[in-house]
Amino acid sequence: AQSVTQPDIHITVSEGASLELRCNYSYGATPYLFWYVQSPGQGLQLLLKYFSGDTLVQGIKGFEAEFKRSQSSFNLRKPSVHWSDAAEYFCAVGGRDDKIIFGKGTRLHILP
Amino acid sequence: NAGVTQTPKFQVLKTGQSMTLQCAQDMNHEYMSWYRQDPGMGLRLIHYSVGAGITDQGEVPNGYNVSRSTTEDFPLRLLSAAPSQTSVYFCASSYGRGNSGANVLTFGAGSRLTVL
Repeated sequence: AQSVTQPDIHITVSEGASLELRCNYSYGATPYLFWYVQSPGQGLQLLLKYFSGDTLVQGIKGFEAEFKRSQSSFNLRKPSVHWSDAAEYFCAVGGRDDKIIFGKGTRLHILP
Repeated sequence: NAGVTQTPKFQVLKTGQSMTLQCAQDMNHEYMSWYRQDPGMGLRLIHYSVGAGITDQGEVPNGYNVSRSTTEDFPLRLLSAAPSQTSVYFCASSYGRGNSGANVLTFGAGSRLTVL
């Protein structure tokens, strides 16, 4: 069955520190993988996506993610977080001509 | 270019009432879907459609009906509202066929529904 696990419900990091948000997926074929961000009271914005090719993908706002097929993971990273990165982050998995399923999200808190 | 338009933005219902959440997109997207968002539960897929005349169930379809008579519209119907359906509902669409832009969802602004 298609599913996404985000093991961390909340993460707190200090401004300027590095960040890694974990995402594990289950999908029976070649996955399409996504990270979306939702700021408080806002809609969802695509940060980055993986469809094929280079397993390290770059996104907006300085984020990147690495697809590791052997670990069924697609972790999101940023080398130095800013206070404006405080938001909720969602990992999602889908496939060619298939539905897209989201994880439960990780809420990121930034300490000044 | 309006993107994905959801109406209404806010709605309060009494238990047992029916209503329809409207979703329209003007991007000629084949794929459309409805999600509900609840605290701690992320976004859960209710129903989706890969093209006009085709719909399928998602993760939490019970209590909801959909139809897709045109490419542009994908309404979500609550036939007999229950308090458990209190949530924020998002409609999303995408090109939906396996090209480089496929499956990148464009979301509507959301509809907040309260069932008393």
